[in-house]
Amino acid sequence: QKEVEQNSGPLSVPEGAIASLNCTYSDRVSQSFFWYRQYSGKSPELIMSIYSNGDKEDGRFTAQLNKASQYVSLLIRDSQPSDSATYLCAVNPVRSGGSNYKLTFGKGTLLTVNP
Amino acid sequence: EPEVTQTPSHQVTQMGQEVILRCVPISNHLYFYWYRQILGQKVEFLVSFYNNEISEKSEIFDDQFSVERPDGSNFTLKIRSTKLEDSAMYFCASSVNGGTPTDTQYFGPGTRLTVL
Repeated sequence: QKEVEQNSGPLSVPEGAIASLNCTYSDRVSQSFFWYRQYSGKSPELIMSIYSNGDKEDGRFTAQLNKASQYVSLLIRDSQPSDSATYLCAVNPVRSGGSNYKLTFGKGTLLTVNP
Repeated sequence: EPEVTQTPSHQVTQMGQEVILRCVPISNHLYFYWYRQILGQKVEFLVSFYNNEISEKSEIFDDQFSVERPDGSNFTLKIRSTKLEDSAMYFCASSVNGGTPTDTQYFGPGTRLTVL
């Protein structure tokens, strides 16, 4: 069973601080990794994707991938109250015999940014 | 910006009834997916669809479920005889090229299904 694990939180940070969200995955040969943001009652919204080891920055967001440790993280700099949401880590497991890639999600980390 | 759309936003049905959830994927996307999220739980893959065929399905997607692309724009999920445990948020997603690992899936707003 391919698993994606996240701390459920809640993670509470003050406005302007750095929020650090972590994710581990069990399938060593997973190829691509995504962070989605989900507001309560809404659908997942793509924040970042990362495919290679190292860091990838996009505005206030930085995704970090370490395939050897099977670990992916998301840093949010200068956190804003509007960043308060559940952050979902999603992994594309190895494709099985001609099928399309599907996403395996973690349960998500609830982030609260306090004004 | 193109979006995946879903109708209805909320569907209430009686146990044993059939429901059809509708999705309009982004127009140039070729790969379509259904996921579900039971309240408080993780988003779970149900099925992927390409070239008018199911590409992959999860163990959740049993004989009670079916998918169809009845025309050039809609993608539907049918649940033949709903159970209480089918109550969940159902998300449709689409992507340009589901055959590559860097493909990105975009999600619709979801349909909340409540089975009474």
